[in-house]
Amino acid sequence: QVQLQESGPGLVKPSQTLSLTCTVSGGSISRGSYYWSWIRQPAGKGLEWIGRIYSTGTTNYNSSLKSRVTISVDTSKNQFSLKLSSVTAADTAVYYCMREGISSGGDLEDVWGQGTTVTVSS
Amino acid sequence: DIQMTQSPSSLSASVGDRVTIACRASQGISNYLAWYQQKQGKVPKLLIYAASTLQSGVPSRFSGSGSGTDFTLTINSLQPEDVATYYCQKYNSAPRAFGQGTKVEIK
Repeated sequence: QVQLQESGPGLVKPSQTLSLTCTVSGGSISRGSYYWSWIRQPAGKGLEWIGRIYSTGTTNYNSSLKSRVTISVDTSKNQFSLKLSSVTAADTAVYYCMREGISSGGDLEDVWGQGTTVTVSS
Repeated sequence: DIQMTQSPSSLSASVGDRVTIACRASQGISNYLAWYQQKQGKVPKLLIYAASTLQSGVPSRFSGSGSGTDFTLTINSLQPEDVATYYCQKYNSAPRAFGQGTKVEIK
């Protein structure tokens, strides 16, 4: 059973770069037709899809964040990462990593991490 | 990018009521639509995918319908444990946008 776990600093200063890592266990990040994605949720607000990466390195980003976001993958460590630059208080949120997948039979095979809270404050 | 719009943003209903939540895509997405339930402080839980397929373990009082641009989540006989925020999400292609959520409360 694949599991995902986010890690990284819980506090980031304004204008700096937020960096998070998602460690995948119970399965190889480079096997199967899965995308590895990041989603965030400010307190009391809705879910926002940030972007995703395929094991080959192909990425897709939310157009509203594209200029500040980089998602990368390290298959040797079975991890993928999020970098969000020039952060402001508006980037304060719970950040989730997720495996996106659809089986050949059409079943949705999404798996979520538990989420990690990141606060942007000086 | 395709936008997902949910309505209403919140609702209050009595135990045993039938509750309906709508989700509209700004362009057709076939049936690539999922519904999530998120309880306070918890990770979103997948309820329905492919617009109408119930995820394993989800109570049968939940159902989904629709295709193209208009979709519906129905809770038949609302229960106290259904208090949560519900989100639709498209997954036909990136970006996998979410609706803004519908908060369901008990009257």
